[in-house]
Amino acid sequence: GAVVSQHPSWVICKSGTSVKIECRSLDFQATTMFWYRQFPKQSLMLMATSNEGSKATYEQGVEKDKFLINHASLTLSTLTVTSAHPEDSSFYICSARAGGIGSYNSPLHFGNGTRLTVT
Amino acid sequence: DAKTTQPNSMESNEEEPVHLPCNHSTISGTDYIHWYRQLPSQGPEYVIHGLTSNVNNRMASLAIAEDRKSSTLILHRATLRDAAVYYCILRGSGGATNKLIFGTGTLLAVQP
Repeated sequence: GAVVSQHPSWVICKSGTSVKIECRSLDFQATTMFWYRQFPKQSLMLMATSNEGSKATYEQGVEKDKFLINHASLTLSTLTVTSAHPEDSSFYICSARAGGIGSYNSPLHFGNGTRLTVT
Repeated sequence: DAKTTQPNSMESNEEEPVHLPCNHSTISGTDYIHWYRQLPSQGPEYVIHGLTSNVNNRMASLAIAEDRKSSTLILHRATLRDAAVYYCILRGSGGATNKLIFGTGTLLAVQP
């Protein structure tokens, strides 16, 4: 089955530093990737949609300059949390959809998440 | 976005069937009904999806009401590994509506 790998699985960083999270589709090409954030005991919140070769589309209320997304290839998208603060501590999850036009309802494949702790 | 309503939590016994309900009275004609589940400390996992007809796969069955205003995810024999949060999500076909927007889901507890 389709596998999405996320790295690192957990990271601790100091306030003010930046952290990069990678999301890779291992056995399929992902034209679209989605980034979510999840706080404890809450549901997933969509942050942005990442399309290969174009700028990411951010959801309302998500700062694009703080959460930099790069989808440089069909198998890799990265999320960089810039100038991280303790309130950015959360569980970040990526997902990927295989295929292009006509595959809009293909299932999404999720990574296992990255737990970010900012001290 | 068309919304779904699910019970906050449900309990089941191991080896018994589980019926997880979902109401989506404002569903549009082109919305697919998707189900995902999330085990503790993991990313969500696709379970099943459908449009109008009932669907079966190795994980579960999806029963869709004739008017499509509700659906039920059926786990035929619950195991302890099925304990998770189950999300019922409507997903459109267009670009803007193709996103998966998660609600609060149903926390399923499975008792041995």
